Amino acid sequence: AQSVTQPDIHITVSEGASLELRCNYSYGATPYLFWYVQSPGQGLQLLLKYFSGDTLVQGIKGFEAEFKRSQSSFNLRKPSVHWSDAAEYFCAVGVKAAGNKLTFGGGTRVLVKP
Amino acid sequence: KAGVTQTPRYLIKTRGQQVTLSCSPISGHRSVSWYQQTPGQGLQFLFEYFSETQRNKGNFPGRFSGRQFSNSRSEMNVSTLELGDSALYLCASSWDPITTDTQYFGPGTRLTVL
Repeated sequence: AQSVTQPDIHITVSEGASLELRCNYSYGATPYLFWYVQSPGQGLQLLLKYFSGDTLVQGIKGFEAEFKRSQSSFNLRKPSVHWSDAAEYFCAVGVKAAGNKLTFGGGTRVLVKP
Repeated sequence: KAGVTQTPRYLIKTRGQQVTLSCSPISGHRSVSWYQQTPGQGLQFLFEYFSETQRNKGNFPGRFSGRQFSNSRSEMNVSTLELGDSALYLCASSWDPITTDTQYFGPGTRLTVL
């Protein structure tokens, strides 16, 4: 069965600084990979996804992620963080044979300092 | 295009009662998935429906059930509520149920069991 690990539970970053959130997955074949963001009291908003092709994926709000098969990773990055980026971020993996069942990581809560 | 809507947004029940949550997918989306989010267990897949049929099921007891109507709207039911059922229940819809497709989440229903 597939699994997802987000090693960092909390990250604090200064406004304007860069941000990188780590995501490692376990699955025998190439999975479908997603990053979602959740603001307090809200549902999940899709930031970006990787299905195939170019391993560097651009998303909304200035986020990007890179799929590295050799490291089983799909890290999320943003060059310059804004205060509005404070939220919880979830990495998720989908498997072609499992339809739309997503397996989520535990999430990383991002705090932005002024 | 309207997003995924979930009703009610908040619900308070007592142990032993049952509850029904409703989800209306994005227009044209035919697959609906349900997830439970708790601080302890994180985001966990409950089940997925397509064409009024359950296609995938997570590892939850039989007290959790769902259904989908011909207009793709979905309901989930939890019978004999337990304190541990307190959670945010998220519904997600997607267009293509055959392969893993991008899922769009609703704002969730916050269920509190007293």
